Amino acid sequence: SQTIHQWPATLVQPVGSPLSLECTVEGTSNPNLYWYRQAAGRGLQLLFYSVGIGQISSEVPQNLSASRPQDRQFILSSKKLLLSDSGFYLCAWSVPIRAGDEQFFGPGTRLTVL
Amino acid sequence: DAKTTQPPSMDCAEGRAANLPCNHSTISGNEYVYWYRQIHSQGPQYIIHGLKNNETNEMASLIITEDRKSSTLILPHATLRDTAVYYCIVRVPPVYNFNKFYFGSGTKLNVKP
Repeated sequence: SQTIHQWPATLVQPVGSPLSLECTVEGTSNPNLYWYRQAAGRGLQLLFYSVGIGQISSEVPQNLSASRPQDRQFILSSKKLLLSDSGFYLCAWSVPIRAGDEQFFGPGTRLTVL
Repeated sequence: DAKTTQPPSMDCAEGRAANLPCNHSTISGNEYVYWYRQIHSQGPQYIIHGLKNNETNEMASLIITEDRKSSTLILPHATLRDTAVYYCIVRVPPVYNFNKFYFGSGTKLNVKP
């Protein structure tokens, strides 16, 4: 069966510090991968998506970047965090050959920037 | 850029059916309606999706109006564990087998004893 992992689960970082959040998927090959952010009390905002290694598309301009160094690894990064980067970050995957299928979400990382 | 409108919150008595409405008046003919829910501090969980016909699975039923401008998610016997935020999403047609979902603010369902 497929599983998705995210770490860390929680993170408190000062403004201006770097960020690296990691997501890995097990039990599937060549998944589509996604990063979402959820601000407090708000819905999910799609940040990045990837259809393969090294292929990243950004949905909104922002202070963050994403990379996919391996087939089942998706990394969210920032060189200098802003207060507005605080939120709940969710990674998700879907099966690429079945476009009508759902996305499966990881447990999330709660980031607080102070 | 959510294409759906949902009430911000609803209450439901435990054991009764929960009917969650969603308006998607600008939906296109090839766009699916998806429902997810998010229990506090967890990742969203897929519930059900449909295009034109009503759908049912072990979790819920989805009723889509004939003009497809609105839908209703039905939880037939709500339990306290169904307390969550429920998102109605119109799926942008896939490009190169790629799905993109745009989540709105959802409906907070409060199931009460």
